[in-house]
Amino acid sequence: GQQVMQIPQYQHVQEGEDFTTYCNSSTTLSNIQWYKQRPGGHPVFLIQLVKSGEVKKQKRLTFQFGEAKKNSSLHITATQTTDVGTYFCLCSGGSNYKLTFGKGTLLTVNP
Amino acid sequence: ETGVTQTPRHLVMGMTNKKSLKCEQHLGHNAMYWYKQSAKKPLELMFVYNFKEQTENNSVPSRFSPECPNSSHLFLHLHTLQPEDSALYLCASSQVGDYSNQPQHFGDGTRLSIL
Repeated sequence: GQQVMQIPQYQHVQEGEDFTTYCNSSTTLSNIQWYKQRPGGHPVFLIQLVKSGEVKKQKRLTFQFGEAKKNSSLHITATQTTDVGTYFCLCSGGSNYKLTFGKGTLLTVNP
Repeated sequence: ETGVTQTPRHLVMGMTNKKSLKCEQHLGHNAMYWYKQSAKKPLELMFVYNFKEQTENNSVPSRFSPECPNSSHLFLHLHTLQPEDSALYLCASSQVGDYSNQPQHFGDGTRLSIL
């Protein structure tokens, strides 16, 4: 079955430093979505990637989809305290479009 | 205001109780989902309803029973739960179509504690 690994599990940075989380799937994906969950909150949709090698930007956030459509990354430039939260990838793959969330990366930012 | 409302926000119940979780979406979506979120584990997809029809059941124990009377409402009926069922239960909805390709909108969840 489809297995999804997301690394790192935790990342603590100083405000202004960059941050990257990676999502790797054991199977080729049809698409991948990224969500952010603030402490005590619910997951909020950030972006969806569909095409091989796709790169999308949202202000300080850059999302990439690998050429083989088996991995993806989320990069934050110059983190701010408002970036604190857990970032999840949601992978959709296989003939039945099985949905699998990564374990998430908890980002904490020291002001 | 997310457009997806879950009630109750918190629920404490004994193992022999029967209770129900409710989810209502005001976004005009046609697919609804139940997830379980436990500490240190990924979000686990439990059930999916597409146009009121259950399209996915990820080997969830029968003590969890979903019900989707229409595209706007989703219930999760609980009975004879175990302590390991304590978790945050999240409901989500998405637009009609191939549900795996549509962004999901989540409710605030129900924090469930089993005594």
